[in-house]
Amino acid sequence: QKEVEQNSGPLSVPEGAIASLNCTYSDRGSQSFFWYRQYSGKSPELIMFIYSNGDKEDGRFTAQLNKASQYVSLLIRDSQPSDSATYLCAVNGWQDSSYKLIFGSGTRLLVRP
Amino acid sequence: DTEVTQTPKHLVMGMTNKKSLKCEQHMGHRAMYWYKQKAKKPPELMFVYSYEKLSINESVPSRFSPECPNSSLLNLHLHALQPEDSALYLCASSQGSSRELGNEQFFGPGTRLTVL
Repeated sequence: QKEVEQNSGPLSVPEGAIASLNCTYSDRGSQSFFWYRQYSGKSPELIMFIYSNGDKEDGRFTAQLNKASQYVSLLIRDSQPSDSATYLCAVNGWQDSSYKLIFGSGTRLLVRP
Repeated sequence: DTEVTQTPKHLVMGMTNKKSLKCEQHMGHRAMYWYKQKAKKPPELMFVYSYEKLSINESVPSRFSPECPNSSLLNLHLHALQPEDSALYLCASSQGSSRELGNEQFFGPGTRLTVL
């Protein structure tokens, strides 16, 4: 089982819709959760982080964390074509005897005009 | 200012060359990282420096040699690379180590490396 799992997509949504991206993780001791956006050929950009159960909102983005179910999600409201990118979920946890940031394989989001 | 800078942006080198990648941050962060990213894959951790000391080496081949001259700078020295080492090399920094809260990692723009 992969430590951090994401659906690779592509997730295709029309402009103006809500895009919902999901991520599950295996290390119950994880305490820090991050969402990065990565445009093709560019580096990852941190867009949200969440440490406590519940919702955290920042502009059009909402991160949701449920530690009991070991999932974290990202909602993007009023999706725009400029949101089309790969979204990487990352979780701090143990892997190969080190505590580190563990990435999911990413979900590609396509927002159709 | 959440900026991490990297030079060069692009690098083409032969298998016998020696080159260095440079990374700089002025956010007062105490942890710095090197990642390697291949196309359509997530970043893969290579090295972690915490308080200027190497704390994680992910069994990276010795042809990659990291150096942390001070708390703001991180170098990656390259020697005798293979074509399969061609990738995007990313530097990141964070306030503290992965074990601490408030340890968001910020990435630089990366160096696109091609080994011929």
